[in-house]
Amino acid sequence: EVQLVESGGGLVQPGGSVTLSCEASGFAFRSFAMDWVRQAPGKGLEWVSAITSSGADTSYADSVKGRFTISRGSSKNIVYLQMNSLRAEDTALYFCAREMIGYGGNSLDSWGQGTLVVVSS
Amino acid sequence: DIQMTQSPSTLSASVGDRVTITCRASQSISSWLAWYQQKPGKAPKLLIYKASNLEDGVPSRFSGSGSGTEFTLTINSLQPDDFATYYCQKYNSNSRPFGPGTIVEIK
Repeated sequence: EVQLVESGGGLVQPGGSVTLSCEASGFAFRSFAMDWVRQAPGKGLEWVSAITSSGADTSYADSVKGRFTISRGSSKNIVYLQMNSLRAEDTALYFCAREMIGYGGNSLDSWGQGTLVVVSS
Repeated sequence: DIQMTQSPSTLSASVGDRVTITCRASQSISSWLAWYQQKPGKAPKLLIYKASNLEDGVPSRFSGSGSGTEFTLTINSLQPDDFATYYCQKYNSNSRPFGPGTIVEIK
């Protein structure tokens, strides 16, 4: 069974940093690209970032470019999201998601339950 | 950047109804569109990928169509479990925005 478990969220001061983790199990992690998607309280989904299966290529939403960094663990089945220079508008539930392989392209076929980041003083 | 819109923003329907949600892209995205269902307090669930392909395990009352800039998600014979929020997402590039969502509520 595919499992994605996010952790690392919490209360962070504006301008601060936090690193989210997503531990994957139940599938061949090294074969799949991974994404982060967030959802502000009461709002819609916002795609944040993606990393290819090899980790060689990454992409970001304009709203986080230059502040957030996505990466993959070298020996662990974990994908990270390092978040710097945090703003109040980064407050959201952050989901980790797996991209489909092959015909489905980059659609997201498995999701974690999310970890909440609150940016407030 | 390509923008995604959805209509309606809220849809009131009854069990057994056929409902259609529209998603539009500001430029052509070929068939690189997915549909997701989200219930309160839960993670989104993939329903449709590449515009018209039903994800494994998703009931056949769900269907997707369209290409280019206009896409639809249709739910035939709406069931109580289908009351939720539905999002489209384009994914043909390194910018993968979601639409704003459509709430399907009980009439």
